[in-house]
Amino acid sequence: AQTVTQSQPEMSVQEAETVTLSCTYDTSESDYYLFWYKQPPSRQMILVIRQEAYKQQNATENRFSVNFQKAAKSFSLKISDSQLGDAAMYFCAYRSASFGTASKLTFGTGTRLQVTL
Amino acid sequence: DTGVSQDPRHKITKRGQNVTFRCDPISEHNRLYWYRQTLGQGPEFLTYFQNEAQLEKSRLLSDRFSAERPKGSFSTLEIQRTEQGDSAMYLCASTQIQGAGGANVLTFGAGSRLTVL
Repeated sequence: AQTVTQSQPEMSVQEAETVTLSCTYDTSESDYYLFWYKQPPSRQMILVIRQEAYKQQNATENRFSVNFQKAAKSFSLKISDSQLGDAAMYFCAYRSASFGTASKLTFGTGTRLQVTL
Repeated sequence: DTGVSQDPRHKITKRGQNVTFRCDPISEHNRLYWYRQTLGQGPEFLTYFQNEAQLEKSRLLSDRFSAERPKGSFSTLEIQRTEQGDSAMYLCASTQIQGAGGANVLTFGAGSRLTVL
């Protein structure tokens, strides 16, 4: 079974600064997808960024980018120019690419990000 | 389309009572998932539907839990004889699966929070 580990329960960053959230995972599969989801307080979870394991190039979405190290099974999220609206719980998630695996996500325990002025 | 809707947003009940949650997915989405999220944890997979067929249930889904998606549109999750350990956020998510699924993204609802006294 796959597992996802987020070792930072809480992180804090000053507005306009850069922060990196860590995520490691364990799998025996070679083809899979990785995601970062953001969950603001009392609001729905939304996708921040996704990475296909077969792609060597790291995904980027505006101020959000990932550092995907497949051999190390590491998938960190970098938020540049942090904004107050970035404050939320961030979840790293894994999904198998194997056909017939239900496409269900396995989540980490989350990192709560605080953004200070 | 207003996204994935869940109702009620918060339910407080006494131990032993039955509760039912409803999820209305995005209309064109053929796959619907239920997850449970307890305090300080990431969401955990409970079950999923492909159209009206329930294709997989987690071991977390005890006999007291039942889910339906009668016409392949909305879904209900019923918990009978609730226990304090059932207190959690119940999340619904949907997506449109074609073929092997690819990197399709789940769209989550805001969740239904259950408090069992």
